[in-house]
Amino acid sequence: GQNIDQPTEMTATEGAIVQINCTYQTSGFNGLFWYQQHAGEAPTFLSYNVLDGLEEKGRFSSFLSRSKGYSYLLLKELQMKDSASYLCGAYNQGGKLIFGQGTELSVKP
Amino acid sequence: NAGVTQTPKFRILKIGQSMTLQCTQDMNHNYMYWYRQDPGMGLKLIYYSVGAGITDKGEVPNGYNVSRSTTEDFPLRLELAAPSQTSVYFCASSRGTAEKETQYFGPGTRLLVL
Repeated sequence: GQNIDQPTEMTATEGAIVQINCTYQTSGFNGLFWYQQHAGEAPTFLSYNVLDGLEEKGRFSSFLSRSKGYSYLLLKELQMKDSASYLCGAYNQGGKLIFGQGTELSVKP
Repeated sequence: NAGVTQTPKFRILKIGQSMTLQCTQDMNHNYMYWYRQDPGMGLKLIYYSVGAGITDKGEVPNGYNVSRSTTEDFPLRLELAAPSQTSVYFCASSRGTAEKETQYFGPGTRLLVL
């Protein structure tokens, strides 16, 4: 079957670093996305990985290991505005984006 | 560009009523998608379209219908509303499903079925 697993919620302190993990099982694999979603708003694109390794984009980095079916999103120098839900999504061979349930991140002062 | 727009923003329906959720994109994207998001949950794909005249089922299509007569519009139809369809509905679009084809989401429609 197809499945995306990520922790339901995490808490971190302002200025710290947090890593949000995601494991996936899909029929075929055509890339992995991370989206950020603030409460009551639409998801917005953060990162995309299709090859193994780390993609860095400012304070946010995303890592992929295709052999392990594993990805993580790394957020550095956390700010209060980073409190949001982070959605991991994997494209399967049929071109459908399958999402996990999302990780609710709370950043505390 | 306005991006992806959805109407209405919020709607209350009675059980058995029908309605159409509208979605329009002005980015000339071929691919369009409808998702539903239940509280505290991720996004579930309802239907998607790879171009005008072509639609296909996603993970949770039962109780919904779609059409794609133009590149810009992708309406979602609920024929007999049920309380289980209470959710937030997001429409999204992308150029395609090749590498780095980001999906752009609309602001969502909040639907309450009583």
